[in-house]
Amino acid sequence: DGGITQSPKYLFRKEGQNVTLSCEQNLNHDAMYWYRQDPGQGLRLIYYSQIVNDFQKGDIAEGYSVSREKKESFPLTVTSAQKNPTAFYLCATGSGQGGQPQHFGDGTRLSIL
Amino acid sequence: SQQGEEDPQALSIQEGENATMNCSYKTSINNLQWYRQNSGRGLVHLILIRSNEREKHSGRLRVTLDTSKKSSSLLITASRAADTASYFCATAYTLFNKFYFGSGTKLNVKP
Repeated sequence: DGGITQSPKYLFRKEGQNVTLSCEQNLNHDAMYWYRQDPGQGLRLIYYSQIVNDFQKGDIAEGYSVSREKKESFPLTVTSAQKNPTAFYLCATGSGQGGQPQHFGDGTRLSIL
Repeated sequence: SQQGEEDPQALSIQEGENATMNCSYKTSINNLQWYRQNSGRGLVHLILIRSNEREKHSGRLRVTLDTSKKSSSLLITASRAADTASYFCATAYTLFNKFYFGSGTKLNVKP
């Protein structure tokens, strides 16, 4: 069954703690993206990767870090430097060519304890 | 900001009516896409319209694009309660292979 798996579905972060959100895909897509969505708002791009071992900052990268060691995986770490991490995080993939549609996972909801 | 902006922010209609939502953007684009998001879920791609196209249909969906006005509209005909969701436009810029999403229109279709 092809798709994008994000885990966990819900995550709680304590003060000063780093947490990592998982995103795995079996669509064989080259490009992967992380977005943040705040209540009632659109998506803002955090980081994206067009190829293994390469990634670029999006519009709101501060306080976040990523890695792309495998084509299938693009984990996002929310560091303690991100002072307002409470949001819905969405991972997406795409062919990486010509603005083709993106495919989304079902998100991780991160809250502060 | 290069993000699109949807209008209206919220729309409530009766089942069977048509729903129209609009999107405006600021810079030249490669294509524009519409996505749907059910509450608490990821986005699902609905339709893509290229910058050299003016209108596109897919089932009950009709999308128009006016590049001179930098705007697009999404029409859902004969709406159903299951169409209740948020709808987002996304503008695609090939040079950066990035997408910019608007803030969405929240559609409520009453049975």
